[in-house]
Amino acid sequence: KNQVEQSPQSLIILEGKNCTLQCNYTVSPFSNLRWYKQDTGRGPVSLTIMTFSENTKSNGRYTATLDADTKQSSLHITASQLSDSASYICVAPGGGTASKLTFGTGTRLQVTL
Amino acid sequence: DVKVTQSSRYLVKRTGEKVFLECVQDMDHENMFWYRQDPGLGLRLIYFSYDVKMKEKGDIPEGYSVSREKKERFSLILESASTNQTSMYLCASRGPPGANEKLFFGSGTQLSVL
Repeated sequence: KNQVEQSPQSLIILEGKNCTLQCNYTVSPFSNLRWYKQDTGRGPVSLTIMTFSENTKSNGRYTATLDADTKQSSLHITASQLSDSASYICVAPGGGTASKLTFGTGTRLQVTL
Repeated sequence: DVKVTQSSRYLVKRTGEKVFLECVQDMDHENMFWYRQDPGLGLRLIYFSYDVKMKEKGDIPEGYSVSREKKERFSLILESASTNQTSMYLCASRGPPGANEKLFFGSGTQLSVL
């Protein structure tokens, strides 16, 4: 059964600090993994996608990694800002169609002063 | 950028009412989806459509139906609303194959069934 597990479930950090969110996946066949950011009361928005051959990809202060051997991905946020407060959702497709996307339950990040 | 618009941000309905949730996208995407999102459960697929008048059941279709009469519009229907259908409903669209399954989501409809 395809599964995507995220940790921690929630996280509180001070503004300016760094943090790392984890995503473990068991998806077959694996093609890519995408991270979404969901602000409170809004729909998710894609942050980045990691394909099988990629190890690291940056999008501003967000850096995603992928380790295909251990089936783990991480999202590192540098110099956090209040606007980073959101849920971060890890998603992987299985079977090659969007109808078979497997969603993680998300990590809820709160950045405080 | 793709815009996916859901007609209502908040809805309050009574048990047994028929409920319509509307979704419109402006990028001529063929694929459209309805998800519900509940705390601790992540997003779950209710129905999806890959073309006008075509629909497929997702993981939790019971108690729901859909309509896709025009390419840009995908409606979710709760035939007889029940309290366990209180949830956040998210509509999404997806571009053509080769887009790595990137979904574009609407802002969601928070439905409360009393």
